[in-house]
Amino acid sequence: EAGVAQSPRYKIIEKRQSVAFWCNPISGHATLYWYQQILGQGPKLLIQFQNNGVVDDSQLPKDRFSAERLKGVDSTLKIQPAKLEDSAVYLCASSPRTGFSYEQYFGPGTRLTVT
Amino acid sequence: DQQVKQNSPSLSVQEGRISILNCDYTNSMFDYFLWYKKYPAEGPTFLISISSIKDKNEDGRFTVFLNKSAKHLSLHIVPSQPGDSAVYFCAASRTSGTYKYIFGTGTRLKVLA
Repeated sequence: EAGVAQSPRYKIIEKRQSVAFWCNPISGHATLYWYQQILGQGPKLLIQFQNNGVVDDSQLPKDRFSAERLKGVDSTLKIQPAKLEDSAVYLCASSPRTGFSYEQYFGPGTRLTVT
Repeated sequence: DQQVKQNSPSLSVQEGRISILNCDYTNSMFDYFLWYKKYPAEGPTFLISISSIKDKNEDGRFTVFLNKSAKHLSLHIVPSQPGDSAVYFCAASRTSGTYKYIFGTGTRLKVLA
């Protein structure tokens, strides 16, 4: 079974530029998560999709971050414009269940550096 | 507000000995807990979980203990192996209502050969 795929793996941009990350979850997984992991911290949930609907985006900075999940499969996370404090690893995870997930499967992450 | 805390940023253990990683939480509504292991340049991988209806769960060399009254859980690795060297995150969630995992800051374990 293929795991969660993410691209790009690394991205360096200047502040005020825009950037987009892509995630392909495990086939058949209903729930998709985007996490932000700042250096020295644990992952923080940004947004959770069940199929193609948003369940929780309470910690997503909506003035600059946006996310969508097309047809309940792939997802993109966009930052526009980026700030220095957005430098982090962006992790995508998926879960086969809707509702509470007993386990989440993570992708390798995208390391973003904003200069 | 750090609801899940891992107070030891790093831990070094000799190969073959026991590794004990600790995690504290403040929200008494949390009733499900996970441990993840993370190698450099990889995403976290699930290691072991425990529900609040239990106080212990074991899987091979890994055992998680939960003390609800102290709001404390610990991960024991016995015996420790060099391949266990990684960053370990604990995470906690409610299983009803507003459920999302809150992660600790991680503990870097180094197992010395």
